[in-house]
Amino acid sequence: DTGVSQNPRHKITKRGQNVTFRCDPISEHNRLYWYRQTLGQGPEFLTYFQNEAQLEKSRLLSDRFSAERPKGSFSTLEIQRTEQGDSAMYLCASSVTESDYTFGSGTRLTVV
Amino acid sequence: EDQVTQSPEALRLQEGESSSLNCSYTVSGLRGLFWYRQDPGKGPEFLFTLYSAGEEKEKERLKATLTKKESFLHITAPKPEDSATYLCAVARDDKIIFGKGTRLHILP
Repeated sequence: DTGVSQNPRHKITKRGQNVTFRCDPISEHNRLYWYRQTLGQGPEFLTYFQNEAQLEKSRLLSDRFSAERPKGSFSTLEIQRTEQGDSAMYLCASSVTESDYTFGSGTRLTVV
Repeated sequence: EDQVTQSPEALRLQEGESSSLNCSYTVSGLRGLFWYRQDPGKGPEFLFTLYSAGEEKEKERLKATLTKKESFLHITAPKPEDSATYLCAVARDDKIIFGKGTRLHILP
């Protein structure tokens, strides 16, 4: 296992289209997190799973965003009807405890 | 509201010029303070976890220290490959909250 894998690495989409990102965590990690990072800012928390249960969602996660983690393995983050303000790096992290995060390399989304 | 504030926003140093990055935090019941390094286009890479005031951790040219209100990341005799954004974060509930980071540039 080489770490947290995120796909795609880059995504360019037209405003109004739907996009889906995938995160494959480290296999023995039961916690999975999604963060969003814009230029010059630190990562901002979006949502968190423990196994397959989504335990917390940030106010940043509007109704257009949905995340799933079927069977407690990989996770997907879908953004419907994308807006230019959704352009950002979307980071996934996994951990065993609340603190030993391993991040993936992220998916950079550009909405044109 | 819990906050993590990092300073300076950006720092340019000559190779070999030691300095410190600051992270001040306000969080009720600190459950861990973290330092990460982030290179352009990549995810954050874990450096250190500190749990209690007075604790110190070292790794190569980096040393992290913690007081009740702030943490410092000391960089001794930096090299150009130490250029990166350094992120500070604190544990809150079941997640960690990041500061905006300090962009460090080491000139050869």
